[in-house]
Amino acid sequence: DAKTTQPPSMDCAEGRAANLPCNHSTISGNEYVYWYRQIHSQGPQYIIHGLKNNETNEMASLIITEDRKSSTLILPHATLRDTAVYYCIVRPLDMRFGAGTRLTVKP
Amino acid sequence: DTEVTQTPKHLVMGMTNKKSLKCEQHMGHRAMYWYKQKAKKPPELMFVYSYEKLSINESVPSRFSPECPNSSLLNLHLHALQPEDSALYLCASSQVDMGFRQNSPLHFGNGTRLTVT
Repeated sequence: DAKTTQPPSMDCAEGRAANLPCNHSTISGNEYVYWYRQIHSQGPQYIIHGLKNNETNEMASLIITEDRKSSTLILPHATLRDTAVYYCIVRPLDMRFGAGTRLTVKP
Repeated sequence: DTEVTQTPKHLVMGMTNKKSLKCEQHMGHRAMYWYKQKAKKPPELMFVYSYEKLSINESVPSRFSPECPNSSLLNLHLHALQPEDSALYLCASSQVDMGFRQNSPLHFGNGTRLTVT
């Protein structure tokens, strides 16, 4: 089974920040947290990853708690095109996807 | 567009057919993966190749036979499939550094949508 748990669905208003949580309470010391998203009928797309420090790139920010047992993906200004299923996985030891969060961005 | 190319995009096959799915990447990645995804479900890991050797087989039935002929290519040979094998088959690749520590993202293709009749 996947080592992560996420809420099944979330809504977000267009232009607002979308905060997607992920629990990974059994994460090991050398495992990274990765986030992907999948838009209908496409392959998953890499968003961001981190080990223990917060990370930011042009797509999103990743906040990892100090104990590394959970993380939050932040899309700072959600658009309708951000509607997708978002997955967090831990690697290298686990390449299995959990159920993910279906994010719906509404006008 | 993705850097991982999968062909064909769509495939319809009968239960007695033999077919192959192809995946190609030119990013120099030495780890390649097959996933299976049913509708409204997450991708399920099937196989992992590292340096062209099979390193993980998630107890996949023998009617699915993977092959990694070189560092850029990954095939999935299909034989005697069942209708319940109909799904989106996704290929991915990533870097592998020393000791199989994978600090690198998975790069996915857009998949082959397989229908078994």
